[in-house]
Amino acid sequence: EPEVTQTPSHQVTQMGQEVILRCVPISNHLYFYWYRQILGQKVEFLVSFYNNEISEKSEIFDDQFSVERPDGSNFTLKIRSTKLEDSAMYFCASSGGTGLYGELFFGEGSRLTVL
Amino acid sequence: KQEVTQIPAALSVPEGENLVLNCSFTDSAIYNLQWFRQDPGKGLTSLLLIQSSQREQTSGRLNASLDKSSGRSTLYIAASQPGDSATYLCAVKYTGRRALTFGSGTRLQVQP
Repeated sequence: EPEVTQTPSHQVTQMGQEVILRCVPISNHLYFYWYRQILGQKVEFLVSFYNNEISEKSEIFDDQFSVERPDGSNFTLKIRSTKLEDSAMYFCASSGGTGLYGELFFGEGSRLTVL
Repeated sequence: KQEVTQIPAALSVPEGENLVLNCSFTDSAIYNLQWFRQDPGKGLTSLLLIQSSQREQTSGRLNASLDKSSGRSTLYIAASQPGDSATYLCAVKYTGRRALTFGSGTRLQVQP
C-alpha cells in the first residue's frame, strides 16, 4: 500500500543550526502538507503546497521556515536557526487529486530535538 | 475562532464493549471531517473521511457520523479489542481552508 515516507526519523541539533526534514509523498498525490506536534499538544498545521507554491500557511510558518519540492518525488521542510521551542514531531502529509475534499495521508514523522 | 474539541480526553473500557468517541466543532461550514488513530510516538493513520454532504461512513468495526448543524461527529467502535488502544484524533477541514484543524484526541485503553 502506498505510503508517505519521512527522513530522518529522529534528528538532534544544536540551537541556531539549520535542519532539513525530508518527505516522499504518495506518488500520484498533488497536495502536500507539513504539520507539527509538540509533545503533549495538538497537531498543528504549518503549510500546504500545491503546484510548486505555498497555498496556505499558518502564523507559525514564519521566515524561519521554508518548503521546497526540489524534484518530482521529494518535499522538504527547512528550519533555519533552530530554537528550543522548535522541538517537536514534524509530520508530512499528502492528498490526491480531489483537492479540498481529499483524504490526507500522514507519514510516521520526524522527531526534532533542539538542544 | 474555528476550533475542534474532543470528549472524553481519556477512556478505559473492558474488551468487547462498544464505545463512542465525541468530536465537536465550532463552525458548521466545513468541507470534511477525518478521524485518525495515533499510536504512541507514531504517525497518524487515517480511519475514516466524511464529506460535508455525508451523514456517516463505515469501515469494519468503525462507524463515524456527522451532524453539521449541531457541529458534532461521533466515532463508534464496535466490539472493542486491546489492539484498539491508541489515541483517536478528529480533524476538520473548514470551508476556505486547506488546513486540517485537530482536536486534542481521546486516549483509549481497552483492557483484556
